[in-house]
Amino acid sequence: DAGVTQSPTHLIKTRGQQVTLRCSPKSGHDTVSWYQQALGQGPQFIFQYYEEEERQRGNFPDRFSGHQFPNYSSELNVNALLLGDSALYLCASCMANSYEQYFGPGTRLTVT
Amino acid sequence: AQSVTQLGSHVSVSEGALVLLRCNYSSSVPPYLFWYVQYPNQGLQLLLKYTSAATLVKGINGFEAEFKKSETSFHLTKPSAHMSDAAEYFCAVSDPGYSGGYQKVTFGTGTKLQVIP
Repeated sequence: DAGVTQSPTHLIKTRGQQVTLRCSPKSGHDTVSWYQQALGQGPQFIFQYYEEEERQRGNFPDRFSGHQFPNYSSELNVNALLLGDSALYLCASCMANSYEQYFGPGTRLTVT
Repeated sequence: AQSVTQLGSHVSVSEGALVLLRCNYSSSVPPYLFWYVQYPNQGLQLLLKYTSAATLVKGINGFEAEFKKSETSFHLTKPSAHMSDAAEYFCAVSDPGYSGGYQKVTFGTGTKLQVIP
């Protein structure tokens, strides 16, 4: 049983560009959350998707948007990249009504 | 608003010694609490969770944590450190009041554990 998978593993972008990160949840999970982990910091909640809708959102600007597909996979889009967006982006999945999240290995985004 | 404070960004212990990683939380409602471990270049793995059942929670790899409401603490312990325990540990809190299910989780800033041979 594959766990949470994320792609790509690493990504380098230039300021002002747009990026899309992808996540496939663990089998049987229908809820996906995205986190940003800056160097030396704990993960910060970006948003959560359930039934293809954004259910909750953290304190992130509208440049951060997402999508969930019928197969429960998810995308995180970031527009107008800033240097400060450089971080490890983590995807976590769980079943609805569960507090037990499973994390993917993350995508390391570097903005130059 | 809920928050978590982890005391000590770096902790060093000798192999075989007691591991104690400190976590204090702030929450307006009885919280759910978690400890996660992160190895280099990997995602987070759940070690254990407190969800209002027994206050002493046992997790994987010999770790355990005790929920102390009076102290608003949820410290992580392991009786005897192993070299493989070297990693970064995150305490996290969640508000269980959301009726729709899973609530967002707020993480602490992490504690890096070094195990000295």
